[in-house]
Amino acid sequence: SAVISQKPSRDICQRGTSLTIQCQVDSQVTMMFWYRQQPGQSLTLIATANQGSEATYESGFVIDKFPISRPNLTFSTLTVSNMSPEDSSIYLCSVPGQGAVEQFFGPGTRLTVL
Amino acid sequence: GQQLNQSPQSMFIQEGEDVSMNCTSSSIFNTWLWYKQDPGEGPVLLIALYKAGELTSNGRLTAQFGITRKDSFLNISASIPSDVGIYFCAGHFGNEKLTFGTGTRLTIIP
Repeated sequence: SAVISQKPSRDICQRGTSLTIQCQVDSQVTMMFWYRQQPGQSLTLIATANQGSEATYESGFVIDKFPISRPNLTFSTLTVSNMSPEDSSIYLCSVPGQGAVEQFFGPGTRLTVL
Repeated sequence: GQQLNQSPQSMFIQEGEDVSMNCTSSSIFNTWLWYKQDPGEGPVLLIALYKAGELTSNGRLTAQFGITRKDSFLNISASIPSDVGIYFCAGHFGNEKLTFGTGTRLTIIP
């Protein structure tokens, strides 16, 4: 499986600011996924990031709030904009495995908004 | 969207006991996945199931793809302290996104 790293691993931010989370993969992948995991909850897909095209957002998530970049096949960023305490969550990136259905996850970024 | 319900929500067991948990859906899936998430980490894939009725093992873990395609089961035999964590099922159908279950939190009582 791919080796995935995320930066930062955690951060504490002030309301109204923005944070950009980086996801790096050790191999080229066509798709990268960004998830949100609110405290004590399951994983919710935010968007799918494809290289060379705009990300595809799930219902309830918009580009203005969660802009995504995908400059190449091994890297993506997710920005959480104009943060509020409700944005406090773990943000996870993932990539598909060889079977295309399985996904492998990074270690996550734990965000706390004060 | 559809939801996967996992049962039980949490479990408190003693080391050495066997563990059983399940995941049910209102619609069918073609693939079932089981993940484990340790505190402060991302989910790690444990077992993947691709066919109704399939029974697959990974060490002390055994998972089954229900014959109705609407459920899946995970069993852990002879639990050890490192089994502590949250277990998530996930289902996939066609071109739809991966849908995750509500999770089962496993705690081992010393």
